[in-house]
Amino acid sequence: DTAVSQTPKYLVTQMGNDKSIKCEQNLGHDTMYWYKQDSKKFLKIMFSYNNKELIINETVPNRFSPKSPDKAHLNLHINSLELGDSAVYFCASSQAQQGADRSPLHFGNGTRLTVT
Amino acid sequence: GENVEQHPSTLSVQEGDSAVIKCTYSDSASNYFPWYKQELGKGPQLIIDIRSNVGEKKDQRIAVTLNKTAKHFSLHITETQPEDSAVYFCAVRPPRRSYIPTFGRGTSLIVHP
Repeated sequence: DTAVSQTPKYLVTQMGNDKSIKCEQNLGHDTMYWYKQDSKKFLKIMFSYNNKELIINETVPNRFSPKSPDKAHLNLHINSLELGDSAVYFCASSQAQQGADRSPLHFGNGTRLTVT
Repeated sequence: GENVEQHPSTLSVQEGDSAVIKCTYSDSASNYFPWYKQELGKGPQLIIDIRSNVGEKKDQRIAVTLNKTAKHFSLHITETQPEDSAVYFCAVRPPRRSYIPTFGRGTSLIVHP
């Protein structure tokens, strides 16, 4: 059973298009995240949700809009894609954010986005 | 924001040698220090973690040591094997940033047979 699953695994699209990445976790975790991994492997936090509520939104362009219909899902919608958006996007989850600051992340296997 | 520095960025060893990767952090209130391994085409996976009430933790060939005073922690891999080749990340969960996990820049470990 896959704990954190993301779809699609690969996404190739042209500049200006709008695309979505879906993420689901079956671990019963309260907190979910989106990370962006660039070509140098740096993992940068984009968003964090706790029980469907946005906790953190780093300096991400407002073309990126996360949506959490329930605590098991956190989707990422990207409008007007740009070349610089090409990267691998990882969804992750963990136990409740505060009071459980010692819980590890569980990652999906990533979505490789290529914008041409 | 939290600063997590990880060294080295690349590490090449012969099979059977030991490998050590070090991370330093800035938020002294951090109390949880995990290490993740990322294999090609996959997401990072937790391999070992340590909490601030202990100085060392071992799991077979892998160990993590923590020096809270100096604000650094290290990953030690003994008797390295080719399947240890991967990118390794340290992370902290700083209270000052809502406990959002912040990662080091990663170490690419290559184990030569």
